[in-house]
Amino acid sequence: QVQLQESGPGLVKPSQTLSLTCTVSGGSISSGSYYWSWIRQPAGKGLEWIGRIYTSGSTNYNPSLKSRVTISVDTSKNQFSLKLSSVTAADTAVYYCARSIAVAGAGIFDYWGQGTLVTVSS
Amino acid sequence: EIVLTQSPGTLSLSPGERATLSCRASQSVSSSYLAWYQQKPGQAPRLLIYGASSRATGIPDRFSGSGSGTDFTLTISRLEPEDFAVYYCQQYGSSQFTFGPGTKVDIK
Repeated sequence: QVQLQESGPGLVKPSQTLSLTCTVSGGSISSGSYYWSWIRQPAGKGLEWIGRIYTSGSTNYNPSLKSRVTISVDTSKNQFSLKLSSVTAADTAVYYCARSIAVAGAGIFDYWGQGTLVTVSS
Repeated sequence: EIVLTQSPGTLSLSPGERATLSCRASQSVSSSYLAWYQQKPGQAPRLLIYGASSRATGIPDRFSGSGSGTDFTLTISRLEPEDFAVYYCQQYGSSQFTFGPGTKVDIK
């Protein structure tokens, strides 16, 4: 059974960089069958896809966040990471990591982490 | 960017009743690349339907999806107590994945 677990600081100061890591267990992140994404959800609001990475290291980002986002992968640790720079209060949200199947648009999110709340505040 | 609109915002029903949720896209969704997720408070979303009408592994057959182009529907044939939740549609037909704002199904 694949499991994903987010980790990282729960509080980030405005203008700083948010950094989160997703650890994958129960399967190899190096499998060519999947993409690995970050998705966020402000309290009481809907879901926003941030971006994704393939095991090769190729990435796709949401254009609305592209200038501030970097997603990377560490196959030796079975982890992938998110960095979001120049954060503001609008970036306060629960951040999820998720797996999508690398077929048919590669946007079917079949496994999700439990989510981690990141608050941007001084 | 494909914008998804969901209606109604809230659906108040009793257990055993049928729920019909709508998702409309601002432009045609390529190859019916439309998914539905269920989310309960404090939990991550759970995949229910993909490809507009295919049930994900382990999803009961009371959940069904239909539609194409710009109009999609999620139907829950008979609501069970555990089905009261928020439901999101999501399109993955374009390179920028987007989600709808959600429909809350609550107990009448």
